[in-house]
Amino acid sequence: NAGVMQNPRHLVRRRGQEARLRCSPMKGHSHVYWYRQLPEEGLKFMVYLQKENIIDESGMPKERFSAEFPKEGPSILRIQQVVRGDSAAYFCASSPTLQGEAQPQHFGDGTRLSIL
Amino acid sequence: GQQVMQIPQYQHVQEGEDFTTYCNSSTTLSNIQWYKQRPGGHPVFLIQLVKSGEVKKQKRLTFQFGEAKKNSSLHITATQTTDVGTYFCAGGTNFGNEKLTFGTGTRLTIIP
Repeated sequence: NAGVMQNPRHLVRRRGQEARLRCSPMKGHSHVYWYRQLPEEGLKFMVYLQKENIIDESGMPKERFSAEFPKEGPSILRIQQVVRGDSAAYFCASSPTLQGEAQPQHFGDGTRLSIL
Repeated sequence: GQQVMQIPQYQHVQEGEDFTTYCNSSTTLSNIQWYKQRPGGHPVFLIQLVKSGEVKKQKRLTFQFGEAKKNSSLHITATQTTDVGTYFCAGGTNFGNEKLTFGTGTRLTIIP
């Protein structure tokens, strides 16, 4: 059973370019979470999505960042006009749909984004 | 907003010594989860605690959830080199699929 798949593993962009990060959740999981992690720091929540719905985007900057989880295909985290401060590891996690119980989150290997 | 703090930030122990990390939330939690992240790796789920005062054990690891459901601890007995990594607690405030607020993490290094 494949785990959470993220690609690319490493992404290099120049300032002003766009970065697209992809995440395919575990089979049977319909909930996706995106986190950002700076070196030597913890995980900062960005956005929580279900299929075709953004449930909570309180951790995502209002400008330049967007996320989607379409009916078909992976979840996409999109960063427009990247700046050096966007350099970080971006992790995606997924969890199953079970009402009334908090579920553990399964993480992908992350995308290491470097901005030149 | 909700904040989850962990202490200590770093811990260096001799192999075979015990290790404890403490987690404190600014708000009451519905559940707390613990994750381990090896250097260069991704967070891996360890355990979830839901009930007030709950204690769970996994071999040499003991997890505790405080009575007020605002704090938690992870204790490792007789550390081994394989225990190296950063341990994060993560608090949730709503049952069901939910946003987790991750703690600041405790990085454990083992001196052989």
